[in-house]
Order: sequence, then C-alpha cells, then structure tokens
Amino acid sequence: QVQLQQWGAGLLKPSETLSLTCGVSGASFNGYYWTWIRQTPGKGLEWIGEIEHSGTTDYTPSLNSRITISLDTSKNQFSLKLTSVTAADTAVYYCARGLPNWGGGGAFDVWGQGTMVTVSP
Amino acid sequence: AIRMTQSPSSLSASTGDRVTITCRASQGIARYLAWYQQKPGKAPELLIYSASTLQNGVPSRFSASGSGTDFTLTISRLQSEDFATYYCHQYYRYPLTFGGGTKVEIK
Repeated sequence: QVQLQQWGAGLLKPSETLSLTCGVSGASFNGYYWTWIRQTPGKGLEWIGEIEHSGTTDYTPSLNSRITISLDTSKNQFSLKLTSVTAADTAVYYCARGLPNWGGGGAFDVWGQGTMVTVSP
Repeated sequence: AIRMTQSPSSLSASTGDRVTITCRASQGIARYLAWYQQKPGKAPELLIYSASTLQNGVPSRFSASGSGTDFTLTISRLQSEDFATYYCHQYYRYPLTFGGGTKVEIK
C-alpha cells in the first residue's frame, strides 16, 4: 500500500522560505510524477509542480521563480522549497503521486495528509 | 493555462437521488481528465481518470463521461458518504489545473 507522509514548518513570517518534505512508502519513484499541490479557500486547488525519477521538474509559471522541488531516492522522499513567502502563500499544501501520462504527469492517485502553512508577521 | 469551469458550484440533494456535475475546459483536452472527491479536513481522493475510468475501489454508482471540452460526473444513487466536494482536473497540458469544485450538500 502506497503512503505519503508529509512534514514541515506550519508557521512562517513574510520573506521566509517554506520547506516541506514528503516521505514515500510502498512505492518506487520510477515511472511516477511526484507532485506538490496547494489549496486555499479563495483559489481552490493549485498545482505547484512535479518531479520525476530522472530529476526533471515542471513548475507552475506563476511560482516558477520561487520554487524548487527535489528528490532524494536514498531517503524515499521528495521536497518543496518556496522562497520569499507572503500571506498569499498561506494554504494547505499536499504532496501527491501523479500517474504516468503521455506527456508528463497525470491523475493523482495517492495524496499526503496535507500541511497547513500560515504566513503571518 | 487551461481554465476548468464546474457547474453547479453547489447543489442540495437527498439520499438516493441521481446527481450530475459538469466540467467544461476552456480548450480541448481529449480525455485527459480526472475527478476527485474531497471531504472536510481530508485530502482529495481520485474517483475517475481518463475521463471515464473508475479508480480501483470506487463504487460503481460513480460514473463519468465526456471528451474534448465537456465532461460529466454522475452519482447514480447518492449515499450519505457521498456528501462532499467534487473537483475535476485536466492533465492535458501544463500547468495542470483544477475546476473550482462542486459541493454536494444534504437537502
């Protein structure tokens, strides 16, 4: 059974760096797209970006300059860093596994439990 | 980015009702569409992928159809555990995008 368990700081100040990690159990990294998604009441679900086993990444354009998604296969985990956070980055952040698709990541079949991240002075 | 528009944004229904939710893409996405169910405080769960393929373990009262720009999710006989918010998601083109959600509430 594939499980994703995520962790990281939940309270940040403006200009700090958000850092979240997602541990993967019961699955290989090969062939899937390891993804970060966030959710806010105002903007709904927003795809942040993904990484595949090769290390190739894709990021949403609106956050591209501030995001880094990395993979550590030796520790069975992948991570998200988002720099220079503002109140607009306050959201529930999820990690998820994307199924393979013809051009990249597809549907998300396994999700982490979510982490509420609040950015406040 | 491809915009996904769901309708209605919310609906009230009774147990046993047939419920249909619509998702429209701002451009053609073939059949690269998924549906999710989300309950309060929980992560979304995959119901349907490839527009109409039921994910393992999802009850057969859920079905979906569509291609191109217009898609539907149908719950044939609403059960108490189906009261939740439903989202569509396109994975035809980056950036991947979601619909705004449809909240199914108890009448």
